Order: sequence, then C-alpha cells, then structure tokens
Amino acid sequence: EPEVTQTPSHQVTQMGQEVILRCVPISNHLYFYWYRQILGQKVEFLVSFYNNEISEKSEIFDDQFSVERPDGSNFTLKIRSTKLEDSAMYFCASSEADRRYEKLFFGSGTQLSVL
Amino acid sequence: AQKVTQAQTEISVVEKEDVTLDCVYETRDTTYYLFWYKQPPSGELVFLIRRNSFDEQNEISGRYSWNFQKSTSSFNFTITASQVVDSAVYFCALSDLKTSYDKVIFGPGTSLSVIP
Repeated sequence: EPEVTQTPSHQVTQMGQEVILRCVPISNHLYFYWYRQILGQKVEFLVSFYNNEISEKSEIFDDQFSVERPDGSNFTLKIRSTKLEDSAMYFCASSEADRRYEKLFFGSGTQLSVL
Repeated sequence: AQKVTQAQTEISVVEKEDVTLDCVYETRDTTYYLFWYKQPPSGELVFLIRRNSFDEQNEISGRYSWNFQKSTSSFNFTITASQVVDSAVYFCALSDLKTSYDKVIFGPGTSLSVIP
C-alpha cells in the first residue's frame, strides 16, 4: 500500500532554532495535514493544506509555524524559533481528492526534541 | 464544541478475551464523521474505520466490530478474541461540518495491553 513518508524520524534542536520537518504524501493525494502528539497526550490537529494554501488551522498553529509545498512531492512544516513545548511527535497525513473526509493516511512521524 | 471522551485510560486483558473500548462524543452538528485509529508501539497511526452520522449500522470487520449509537452519542469498539498484536493505543476521533471536516479531533486514547 502507498505510504506517507516523513523525514527525519528524530530531530533534536536547541531552543530558538528553526526546524523543518519533511513529508512526502501519497502521490495522488491532494489534501495534506500536520498533527502533533505531545508525549502521552492526545493527537492534535495543526493545519490542513489544499491547492497551495492553508484551508484550516488550529490555535496551536501560530506565527511560528508555516507550511509549504515547495515542489510536486514534498510538504514541509517549519517552526521558526522552537520552544521547549514544541517537543512532540509530528505526524504528516494526506487524503485522496474524492475521499477527503473518509480516511487520513498518516506517516510514521518525526519525533522533535527541543533542548 | 467538539469533544471526544475515552474514559478508559488503560485496559489489560488476557489473550483471547473480548474487550470493548468506549468512546463518547459531543458535537452540536447533525452531520459528522467518527473514526477509530490504532497506534501500535511503533508509533504510526493506522486508520481502522470511519462512520458518518447518518449511518447507524453496526460494522464488523474480522475480529473488530463497532457499535454506533446516536441516542447515547457513543461509538464503541469491540475486539473479539484479542491477540497480543492488538496491543496498542486506540484513538476515537470526530470531525463535523460546523467546525470543519478537515479538523479531526482525537480523544485521549485507550492503551490496550493484551497479555499472552
């Protein structure tokens, strides 16, 4: 089955540094998402993206966060100046155009540790 | 406002026992979707099922079954004859039209341990 691929699997950074988390969604999918999961807590929606623009974002997704689809395959999440509380597992997801609300395909996540 | 409650934080069962994971949801919308996702120890999130609010038929898929009851706002998940490979965290989730179907709200999860 096609997969959503995320790199790196682990990222360690110093507080205040910029990080970019990368995702390659499934090739024929048109809707892209980022979710995060702080250790031991629930999975939280961050942002959804379609047609090269954000379609929905949560309160968590403030000015420190941005998303981009720089080419036809990658989907990135940038955190401009990381804070300790940004430490979490970040999941990328995608869904098919005609089955947008039916099923999210998640990647295996990037564990971000901010020191 | 949307909310998903999974009252059982952790459950342990012995292999081959049946287990039911509870999910109660809140939404003001009449049109919504309910989901179950599995997160095995390896960490990825695996889709199990989606139900829309107009379809109250229960569903069975192998050892898995789901009981959707709008009257009690519940969407419970039963694993029959549990196996060690079922050990995982299970998340119930909800999206509705008024908030946005794009924004799936996850419950806190139930950690299931199946003991051999």
